[in-house]
Amino acid sequence: NAGVTQTPKFQVLKTGQSMTLQCAQDMNHEYMSWYRQDPGMGLRLIHYSVGAGITDQGEVPNGYNVSRSTTEDFPLRLLSAAPSQTSVYFCASSYSRFNPYEQYFGPGTRLTVT
Amino acid sequence: GESVGLHLPTLSVQEGDNSIINCAYSNSASDYFIWYKQESGKGPQFIIDIRSNMDKRQGQRVTVLLNKTVKHLSLQIAATQPGDSAVYFCADKLIFGTGTRLQVFP
Repeated sequence: NAGVTQTPKFQVLKTGQSMTLQCAQDMNHEYMSWYRQDPGMGLRLIHYSVGAGITDQGEVPNGYNVSRSTTEDFPLRLLSAAPSQTSVYFCASSYSRFNPYEQYFGPGTRLTVT
Repeated sequence: GESVGLHLPTLSVQEGDNSIINCAYSNSASDYFIWYKQESGKGPQFIIDIRSNMDKRQGQRVTVLLNKTVKHLSLQIAATQPGDSAVYFCADKLIFGTGTRLQVFP
């Protein structure tokens, strides 16, 4: 299994541009989530999904959209990038929506917004 | 709101010594905690978890202790090795602490 994969690894955007961060898992996990990691802030939950067609907001959802059309894929969309969205983004998955806490993380996407 | 915090941003230990990384949480109703290890340039990796009905849990070279009275947990790494160098996070379910960087020197 490839586990959780993320693309791209690095991205530079200009303010106002849009883009989609890709995330996929091949473990048939129900639960998937997106975090951002900023220096001194730990990881903060952006959005999560308990299964295909179901998404919900986390702690810091503003400026981000998600969708879950398949079990495998959980893309994160930035509609109009802002410098405050400069961060490292991690996608994670876990086997069961009823116990989502043992999470497998992807390698991350480092995003810079200028 | 709920919070999870680690006591030291950086911990330096000599190879072969034991390491202890501490974490405090604020929610007395919290019942499940996880420790993650994050190596440079990688995503966090699950190490060990503990539920509130336990005081101690052991894995391979790691032990987690939970003190519910003072809302504190610790991760102990025995015989620390250079490969243990990383940032360690405690999490209260989906709420992460800020991390402690463990540096191992020869």
